[in-house]
Amino acid sequence: SQQGEEDPQALSIQEGENATMNCSYKTSINNLQWYRQNSGRGLVHLILIRSNEREKHSGRLRVTLDTSKKSSSLLITASRAADTASYFCATTINNDMRFGAGTRLTVKP
Amino acid sequence: GAVVSQHPSWVICKSGTSVKIECRSLDFQATTMFWYRQFPKQSLMLMATSNEGSKATYEQGVEKDKFLINHASLTLSTLTVTSAHPEDSSFYICSAHRGGRATDTQYFGPGTRLTVL
Repeated sequence: SQQGEEDPQALSIQEGENATMNCSYKTSINNLQWYRQNSGRGLVHLILIRSNEREKHSGRLRVTLDTSKKSSSLLITASRAADTASYFCATTINNDMRFGAGTRLTVKP
Repeated sequence: GAVVSQHPSWVICKSGTSVKIECRSLDFQATTMFWYRQFPKQSLMLMATSNEGSKATYEQGVEKDKFLINHASLTLSTLTVTSAHPEDSSFYICSAHRGGRATDTQYFGPGTRLTVL
């Protein structure tokens, strides 16, 4: 079963704009990860944030985690057309990883 | 970085046949691997956890006799879809924790697209 819910389900922006995707989950977690998936392809790991961390950065990516609200956000700054993909959050509880429904991001050139 | 491979990348088979999908960790050992299924425009659904040297743990609703999992070594897990039917057509993805712990990053294979005619 899925653990996380993501919003929006779909997001369309212009190149250069920032994109923010949110993920909410229901139970306590060990960590939360964000992945990217191009259409019909495998998953690419973006960032892992542990339950005791609140924010992490990686290049143009910024992830926040609010365990009190059981939510996380992924911010992509200065988006590029190549960022067009589906983005999934995944929570890890013990040894299980569960995925959110994903956000389909389209960046228009 | 850690690499997980899958073979084949795609397969088309006739209804009633069995299909084996391999998942390999190429540069690390994985005592635990995971198998997911993804339908078009949907998220990944965990099917089972593959444990080296022991039986796989299946998620509720996943038929263990239909989806046979074998994890015979620390670098290889196989998923066999037995007596495949068109409704089994899906994208199958495997993954592994590089460090063997749930808190480690999970690396995913490129996926195998199964089409059952």
